[in-house]
Amino acid sequence: AQSVTQPDIHITVSEGASLELRCNYSYGATPYLFWYVQSPGQGLQLLLKYFSGDTLVQGIKGFEAEFKRSQSSFNLRKPSVHWSDAAEYFCAVGGGSYIPTFGRGTSLIVHP
Amino acid sequence: GAGVSQSPSNKVTEKGKDVELRCDPISGHTALYWYRQRLGQGLEFLIYFQGNSAPDKSGLPSDRFSAERTGESVSTLTIQRTQQEDSAVYLCASSSPLAGGETQYFGPGTRLLVL
Repeated sequence: AQSVTQPDIHITVSEGASLELRCNYSYGATPYLFWYVQSPGQGLQLLLKYFSGDTLVQGIKGFEAEFKRSQSSFNLRKPSVHWSDAAEYFCAVGGGSYIPTFGRGTSLIVHP
Repeated sequence: GAGVSQSPSNKVTEKGKDVELRCDPISGHTALYWYRQRLGQGLEFLIYFQGNSAPDKSGLPSDRFSAERTGESVSTLTIQRTQQEDSAVYLCASSSPLAGGETQYFGPGTRLLVL
């Protein structure tokens, strides 16, 4: 069975600081991996995804994520956080079942 | 339309009443998903439709929950005899292999409050 762990429920950073959100997954084969962002009162928007190939994936809004098979991780990073990045971030893993499994989310708080 | 739409955006109902939630997927998307998101929680899978195949209902929490989809268009999620624990945001998503594998496009959700 596939699963996703986002160990941090809340992360607080200062505007302009770097950010790393952690995601660990469990999946029996090469996974499909996703990061979504949910702003207050909104649905989820895809930031980036990994299917195969280059393990460093670039996404929208200046985000990137690195797939590390040896660590079963897909951490999300951004070099300089903006106040508008404050939101809920979800990591998801998918595969042949076509039903992705989502983590419980990490809430990002940005201090001015 | 350009994206996934859901209606109503908010619904307040009394315990024991039935509610119907609607999802309009992106045109041409063959797959449609319903999720439940309780306050401060992640997404809980409910049901998955793919084309004309039998839906995957493995996530429905009880027989009070049901969903239908007509072809590759609109879907409705029905909750009968609502309970207070049904209060949540119900999210719909659609996807198509032609649009990049399993990337899901989400609607804004329906916020259900059961009093």
